[in-house]
Amino acid sequence: GNSVTQMEGPVTLSEEAFLTINCTYTATGYPSLFWYVQYPGEGLQLLLKATKADDKGSNKGFEATYRKETTSFHLEKGSVQVSDSAVYFCALSDRNFNKFYFGSGTKLNVKP
Amino acid sequence: EAGVVQSPRYKIIEKKQPVAFWCNPISGHNTLYWYLQNLGQGPELLIRYENEEAVDDSQLPKDRFSAERLKGVDSTLKIQPAELGDSAVYLCASSLDRKDTQYFGPGTRLTVL
Repeated sequence: GNSVTQMEGPVTLSEEAFLTINCTYTATGYPSLFWYVQYPGEGLQLLLKATKADDKGSNKGFEATYRKETTSFHLEKGSVQVSDSAVYFCALSDRNFNKFYFGSGTKLNVKP
Repeated sequence: EAGVVQSPRYKIIEKKQPVAFWCNPISGHNTLYWYLQNLGQGPELLIRYENEEAVDDSQLPKDRFSAERLKGVDSTLKIQPAELGDSAVYLCASSLDRKDTQYFGPGTRLTVL
């Protein structure tokens, strides 16, 4: 079946540090991959996505590359800010967008 | 533009009581989702609507959960009777269609005592 596994948190970094949050997936066929972010007190919102192998999604300085050979979609940012403190969810959908599967979330704390 | 609206934001009930959650999606969004999010976990899909039709309710515990989306706009999710294990956050999301970006509401946090 389909599933998503992401690194456990919390992840605590100092401002301007480099961020990596690991995400690996198991899927049949050709899924689409997503990163969602949930800021404190707010709903989940789409951060970036990639719909085919080798695609790179990017937004707000965050990037993730769809790696089919390693079944991974790791989230990276070169220099985090305090305002990036949130919970980040990796997710996948099947090819027809009929099913969505979310990881358990990784909480990021950025200290000034 | 208004986002997805959910109410109430918080609900505390005794076990065996009924409870209902309401969701108003973004105007014009045909697809509506209800998710369950347990503490420390990611959202799990309960039901997906395309307009007023429930096209995927395979994960909805139908013995106690029910949902409706009359006129293909707002939606209600009901639990009757509630059990202790139902304590969680119930999320509603909507999208133009199932291939489009999902927009989430803030959720309803349910506590069953």
